[in-house]
Amino acid sequence: EVQLVESGGGLVQPGGSLRLSCAASGFTFSTYWMSWVRQTPGKGLEWVANIKQDGNEKFYVDSVKGRFTISRDNAKRSLYVQMNSLRPEDTAVYYCVRGVAAAAYYFDFWGQGTLVTVSS
Amino acid sequence: SYELTQPPSVSVSPGQTARITCSGDVLSYKYGYWYQQKSGQAPVLVIYEDSKRPSGIPERFSGSSSGTMVTLTISGAQVEDEADYYCYSTDSSVNFAFGGGTKLTVL
Repeated sequence: EVQLVESGGGLVQPGGSLRLSCAASGFTFSTYWMSWVRQTPGKGLEWVANIKQDGNEKFYVDSVKGRFTISRDNAKRSLYVQMNSLRPEDTAVYYCVRGVAAAAYYFDFWGQGTLVTVSS
Repeated sequence: SYELTQPPSVSVSPGQTARITCSGDVLSYKYGYWYQQKSGQAPVLVIYEDSKRPSGIPERFSGSSSGTMVTLTISGAQVEDEADYYCYSTDSSVNFAFGGGTKLTVL
């Protein structure tokens, strides 16, 4: 059974940093693209970042470029996102998601999410 | 970037057919996907590549595509199908979009 378990969310002040982690199990982690997708009540679902199987290709939504860094450790079957210079608009539930690069890129399994709140 | 437009809400009685639409220019040349999100839970993929159903998804869920619109159909909707449904599509490695979501009420 595919499982993705996020951790690391919490309350942080504007300008602060946070590192989210995702532990994967139930599939061969090293053979899949992985993504972070966030969800806010106001903006709905928003793709944040993707990382290729070997970690050598990374893509970001414009609003987080230069502030967020996605990474992975295939030996530990783990996905990460380092979030710096956080803004109130980054407040969201962040999901770790497995990606499928087929006819198009899509998300097939989602973790339960971790809440990040950026507020003073 | 591009937009995907969904109706905010759809309501049906149990056993009726529910249809949720998603429109956007990108859908005329790219696949559409559908996610179900029940209250307090993570999204679940229910339809991929317009009309394919992942294993474990009930047969009452189906998808179709025509022009700039994709449609999720739930034939004989059940109370447990009550959820938010999101469409999704992509046209590149850096352009991914979700619809605004449709709240399906079954009562």
